[in-house]
Amino acid sequence: QLVLTQAPSVAASLGASVKLTCTLKSGHSSSAIAWLQQQPEKGPRYLMKLYSDGSHRKGDGIPDRFSGSSSGAERYLTISSLQSDDEADYYCQTWGTGIWVFGGGTKVTVL
Amino acid sequence: QVQLVQSGAEVKKPGASAKVSCKVSGYTLTELSIHWVRQAPVEGLEWMGGFDPADGEIVYAQKFQGRVTMTEDTSTDTAYMELSSLRSEDTAVYYCTTIDYWGQGTLVTVSS
Repeated sequence: QLVLTQAPSVAASLGASVKLTCTLKSGHSSSAIAWLQQQPEKGPRYLMKLYSDGSHRKGDGIPDRFSGSSSGAERYLTISSLQSDDEADYYCQTWGTGIWVFGGGTKVTVL
Repeated sequence: QVQLVQSGAEVKKPGASAKVSCKVSGYTLTELSIHWVRQAPVEGLEWMGGFDPADGEIVYAQKFQGRVTMTEDTSTDTAYMELSSLRSEDTAVYYCTTIDYWGQGTLVTVSS
């Protein structure tokens, strides 16, 4: 069964970096995921697809401040030089045998 | 560039059905795998179902099986999602998406 686990929230200061984690359930550690951003009162926005080897494919116009990396069953999204409009919910998503699964989302607060 | 444009907000009574459309442009519907995702107020994203290119069939999330129907009209490049037997808990914004492209969302409100 595909399951993705995310921490509910994280806070970081303006200009700092933050690293979000999405953990794949045991047995699915080679799966690719997608990272999405959802700013307040807006729809989701695709950031990137992230593969088990750490390679990633970003969406159009996604700044270099957003990067992805992988280690085992964990997939990371690092946001550097935090800006106020990075304050948002971040979801990871994966797929398999026709089904999709979303993580619960991580709320990023910029202090 | 793919664009997904959804139909407008709907208000429905409990027990009724809602049908949301998703018009594709920039690509043809046959080139894409459209999925439907919903988001209830202050909740996360919930997958409802979508097209599986591996077998050419639409797959539904178990939670919605029997209550949701997803169809595609390739002549107009429009995908549809119909949810029946609506209840208050179905109040949500419904999105069509390919994961890298998203419609603007359609608010369906279920209220007596």
